[in-house]
Amino acid sequence: KNQVEQSPQSLIILEGKNCTLQCNYTVSPFSNLRWYKQDTGRGPVSLTIMTFSENTKSNGRYTATLDADTKQSSLHITASQLSDSASYICVVSAVSTSGTYKYIFGTGTRLKVLA
Amino acid sequence: EPEVTQTPSHQVTQMGQEVILRCVPISNHLYFYWYRQILGQKVEFLVSFYNNEISEKSEIFDDQFSVERPDGSNFTLKIRSTKLEDSAMYFCASSAGQSSYNSPLHFGNGTRLTVT
Repeated sequence: KNQVEQSPQSLIILEGKNCTLQCNYTVSPFSNLRWYKQDTGRGPVSLTIMTFSENTKSNGRYTATLDADTKQSSLHITASQLSDSASYICVVSAVSTSGTYKYIFGTGTRLKVLA
Repeated sequence: EPEVTQTPSHQVTQMGQEVILRCVPISNHLYFYWYRQILGQKVEFLVSFYNNEISEKSEIFDDQFSVERPDGSNFTLKIRSTKLEDSAMYFCASSAGQSSYNSPLHFGNGTRLTVT
């Protein structure tokens, strides 16, 4: 069964600190993995995308890693800011039997950055 | 930057009533989606739509649900007879292409549906 699990479920850090969020997936056939940021009451916004051949991808203070062998990804946030407080969602896409892309959403990690 | 817009932002309805949630996808996008997110839970796929027909739907998307693209710009989700458990945030999304690598999903800000 296609599943995407994220940890921790929630995280509280002080402003300026770094943190790492984890994503484990069992999705086949794997196409790509994307991290989204979802502010409270808003729709998710794409941060990074990675295919199986990419190990690392950065977007400003966000760095995503992917290990396609162990089916794990991480999102590292450097020098956190108050505006980083949000839910971070790992989304894995696969090609379905009908040839369309299927997006499997993780449960999300709720990050709270404190001043 | 172009946005997906959804209306209304909040809809309250009585159980058994019909609701229509509206979305205007980004104008040059070809693929359209509805997702829902029950409070505190993960985002769940409902349906995808391409070339004026449903391309895929989940088990959640039963006969009570329907989608339509009536005029080439709007994309609607209709729930024929709402149930209490339909209370959720409903997100519309669109993408430019089928290859998801270069075509991320662009989400609207959602419609919060409350069924009483």
